[in-house]
Amino acid sequence: EAGVVQSPRYKIIEKKQPVAFWCNPISGHNTLYWYLQNLGQGPELLIRYENEEAVDDSQLPKDRFSAERLKGVDSTLKIQPAELGDSAVYLCASSSWDFGKAGELFFGEGSRLTVL
Amino acid sequence: QQPVQSPQAVILREGEDAVINCSSSKALYSVHWYRQKHGEAPVFLMILLKGGEQKGHEKISASFNEKKQQSSLYLTASQLSYSGTYFCGTGGGSQGNLIFGKGTKLSVKP
Repeated sequence: EAGVVQSPRYKIIEKKQPVAFWCNPISGHNTLYWYLQNLGQGPELLIRYENEEAVDDSQLPKDRFSAERLKGVDSTLKIQPAELGDSAVYLCASSSWDFGKAGELFFGEGSRLTVL
Repeated sequence: QQPVQSPQAVILREGEDAVINCSSSKALYSVHWYRQKHGEAPVFLMILLKGGEQKGHEKISASFNEKKQQSSLYLTASQLSYSGTYFCGTGGGSQGNLIFGKGTKLSVKP
């Protein structure tokens, strides 16, 4: 079974440019997370989807970040315009949710963004 | 609220034991443990649920103290492959978002 797939793996852009990351979760997983991870830090939640609904986007900087999850499957995270401080690894994770119990998260390999 | 992990870093010799702690200021219903090797994605180790049994992985086990709102990860007879950064996460499922601690970096030397 395929794991969580993310692309691109690496992206280098100049500040003020737009960038988009794509995530394909494990088939059947209804919960999808986007996390941001800075070097030497734990993953920080940006947004959580339950199926196609964004149930928590309180940590998403909405002035420049946006996300969508069409048809409750693939998801895209966009930054426009990018700032120097956005350089980080963007991790996508998915899980199944069984009667409210937290299932294990399966992470993709991440998209490493460098903003120059 | 982000759980607090301790210690921040540990250096061990092969075969030694280690304990990593995770504490929360909020009531805990579940605790996740993940390991991340350098340049790789975090990988699930185990979940501990309130009132549920603990699950082990290799020679790694964990405890969950609901009253103290903390969990501890026990690495027994450590191997070189145990090196990495260990994260605990709290919440998830009906408890909302899974929030991770800042991590504990474990280095196992030959």
